[in-house]
Amino acid sequence: DAGVIQSPRHEVTEMGQEVTLRCKPISGHNSLFWYRQTMMRGLELLIYFNNNVPIDDSGMPEDRFSAKMPNASFSTLKIQPSEPRDSAVYFCASRTGTGFNTGELFFGEGSRLTVL
Amino acid sequence: KQEVTQIPAALSVPEGENLVLNCSFTDSAIYNLQWFRQDPGKGLTSLLLIQSSQREQTSGRLNASLDKSSGRSTLYIAASQPGDSATYLCAVRGNNNDMRFGAGTRLTVKP
Repeated sequence: DAGVIQSPRHEVTEMGQEVTLRCKPISGHNSLFWYRQTMMRGLELLIYFNNNVPIDDSGMPEDRFSAKMPNASFSTLKIQPSEPRDSAVYFCASRTGTGFNTGELFFGEGSRLTVL
Repeated sequence: KQEVTQIPAALSVPEGENLVLNCSFTDSAIYNLQWFRQDPGKGLTSLLLIQSSQREQTSGRLNASLDKSSGRSTLYIAASQPGDSATYLCAVRGNNNDMRFGAGTRLTVKP
């Protein structure tokens, strides 16, 4: 399996621009997570989906952030408009199971976002 | 809301030493706990997954234990090597299916 695939790996943009990050989870995984990692705040859970349905988006920092999962093999995280404080590494992760026994969480390589 | 704490924040040991990393969590109603390794500039790599019904898991030189009632887990690394140098993170899965992470322990193993 190719693992969790994220794109782009690096993005440099100017303040005010729209940013779209993409994620393809591992085939067969039915839970998908978006995290943001910074030196100051560590790994923060932004939102997660079970069977393509958003379950908890309480970690999404502002209305500028939105996430979608139109099907089981694709998710996007959008920031519009972007601000310099959004600069971070954004990780996508996926796993199997939503019940009592769930599998390991697997991470993508991350998308490093720099907003100038 | 679940809070996950990892102590120490950083650890430096000479090669060959056995070491223990600690993880504590505030809500003992967890479904599982997972240990990860992160190398600089890279994603997270899963090391061990412990289900709530288990007490420990082993993989090679790594052994992770879980004491759910006290809200603690430890990651034991035997005979440490310079290649073990990385940041180690623990994450707990709550009963609402989320995964919350600690801030990590940055390990340096000196040759």
